[in-house]
Formats: sequence, C-alpha cells, structure tokens
Amino acid sequence: NAGVTQTPKFQVLKTGQSMTLQCAQDMNHNSMYWYRQDPGMGLRLIYYSASEGTTDKGEVPNGYNVSRLNKREFSLRLESAAPSQTSVYFCASSQQARVQETQYFGPGTRLLVL
Amino acid sequence: EDKVVQSPLSLVVHEGDTVTLNCSYEVTNFRSLLWYKQEKKAPTFLFMLTSSGIEKKSGRLSSILDKKELFSILNITATQTGDSAIYLCAVVGIDAGGTSYGKLTFGQGTILTVHP
Repeated sequence: NAGVTQTPKFQVLKTGQSMTLQCAQDMNHNSMYWYRQDPGMGLRLIYYSASEGTTDKGEVPNGYNVSRLNKREFSLRLESAAPSQTSVYFCASSQQARVQETQYFGPGTRLLVL
Repeated sequence: EDKVVQSPLSLVVHEGDTVTLNCSYEVTNFRSLLWYKQEKKAPTFLFMLTSSGIEKKSGRLSSILDKKELFSILNITATQTGDSAIYLCAVVGIDAGGTSYGKLTFGQGTILTVHP
C-alpha cells in the first residue's frame, strides 16, 4: 500500500512558468486536500475536495487551481508561478471529511520559484 | 477566523528528559484537536482529541484537552533522539452548515531536538 503519493518531489520554476503538482491515493478515500507549509507558519489549506466531483477553496487559494480527476487523483496547478509560491506542498486524504476522519499526508513536493 | 498557537516554538533537551508541548486555540464551534509528528517528510498522525479531560496515550506520548481553557498539551516522557521532530497541533471547527469538511487549522509547530 503506497498511501498518498506526490510527484514531483522537487521542482524549480522561473517566475511566470506554470506547472501541475500531482497527487494520488490508493486508500479509497473520499476527501483530498492540498496544503502548503512555510517556515514558522505551520500548514495552510489551499484547496480541498470533500468528494469526487467537488472542490472548494481553503485558506490561501489565490494563484492556484485544482482538479479532482477521479476518486484517486487530485492535482494542483500553478498557472503563473511567483516567488511567493516557493514552499513545500503536501497533499492529504481522508475517508470522509464530514465525520472528521484522520488525514494522511503524502511526502511533499518542494517548489522553488526564482 | 480559527487560530492555533503553539509554544514553545523550539525546544532542546537531552535524552531521558520529559517535555510538555502546548497548544492553545480559538475556533468557532470546536469539533476536534489533532496532534501530528513531522520528521523529514509527511506529518504523521498521533492523537485526535474531542472530549475534555480524557487523556490519550501511546507509549511515552500522551495528550489531554481542556475545552474550557481552550488548550491541549502533548507530553513526551523519557525522550529519545528519535523523538526529534516538528510537532504540529491542528483544530477542526464546524461551519454554519454543521460540517467540517476536514479543514484543519494548524499552529506554527514546535521544533523538538533531543540530544544524546
């Protein structure tokens, strides 16, 4: 069981470039989340998908878009990267968000925007 | 807006010491509080607390919630170098519709370093 996987592990972008971060889970979870982690700020929710076919904004959605491709996959897109988006990005999943199930995190993607 | 504050931000101890990590919160319609341990990569789940005064325990780690005073503590006894990590506290509130959608609000984390 791989759990939650993320690709790539590390990426360097130039300002204005675009990229998509991929996330997949094999636990048959309904809900998926994207967080970013910056030094001294804990993790902040960017977007989440409570169930397949739905997505909603979190605390810091500006500059990002998401796609819940199917039940397994939830991608995060940066259309025009900015240095302020330099961060570590974590994807997470849980069985059923409404019941506050434990969230399981992927290994993270480290993004550097120059 | 939900808010979580952890203290101390960093802590350096020696093996065998006991440490107490603090987490205070402000949240609309509290649902639960969670503790995570983060080593080099992904945060891993430690405890979920929903009821006041009931201690959760796992080996040398324990945690308790005080819903009246709006805080939680995480205790680690007989610390080991493998306990070195960032410890994250997060809370979940319930929105006006009565659902939480699993939206965690995290504190800044406490960086624990255990020296041999």
